Amino acid sequence: QSALTQPASVSGSPGQSITISCTGTSSDVGGYHYVSWYQQHPGKAPKLLIYDVTNRPSGVSHRFSGSKSGNTASLTISGLQADDESHYYCASYTSSDTLLFGGGTKLTVL
Amino acid sequence: QEHLVESGGGVVRPGRSLRLSCVASGFTFRNYPMHWVRQAPGKGLEWLAVISYDVNRKYSAHSVKGRFTISRDNSKNMLYLQMNSLRVDDTAVYFCAREEFGAVDFWGQGTLVTVSS
Repeated sequence: QSALTQPASVSGSPGQSITISCTGTSSDVGGYHYVSWYQQHPGKAPKLLIYDVTNRPSGVSHRFSGSKSGNTASLTISGLQADDESHYYCASYTSSDTLLFGGGTKLTVL
Repeated sequence: QEHLVESGGGVVRPGRSLRLSCVASGFTFRNYPMHWVRQAPGKGLEWLAVISYDVNRKYSAHSVKGRFTISRDNSKNMLYLQMNSLRVDDTAVYFCAREEFGAVDFWGQGTLVTVSS
């Protein structure tokens, strides 16, 4: 099964908002509410940012928000900060009871 | 405090086997589904396998089906990944991770597996 489709890179200036898309199919993103987003700094384990499309775990900044329309989920980061520069991954459960990650997006804060 | 600590990584020849272990602490291990995820050098995350909290259900990625087997021992708070017929492209950092609310909410720091002749 192919990875979910994410842009390879996005960029923004401090204080701005950016959105990262994650496109799948009706057998994964479009068909299930189990879409999640992760942040991974170099050499570190991933950190959960968003689960169930829109929910933030305790301790995650309100600047991170998630949404979904059809087969595409999105992560929006508002009020960009230097520390947001990182790799971001989406994931979705599938109709086969497997988990599928996106290819990852590198966010550069200009 | 919650911890997941992987072990068992190292350098192995192509075609050989390796078993990874992951010990959990600080939470009720037997209540959670658990996953293995890997990341090849400079690449993205690749999901490998999941096992239900009660061991009754296991699912794995097509890329490793028939070669990798996930298992757990709830009495020891342990998660395992048996990897057979290893290939050079299995070289990666392997993470064990906990699932909650349909997402992987907590990760270990990973163990590096290098497959090389």
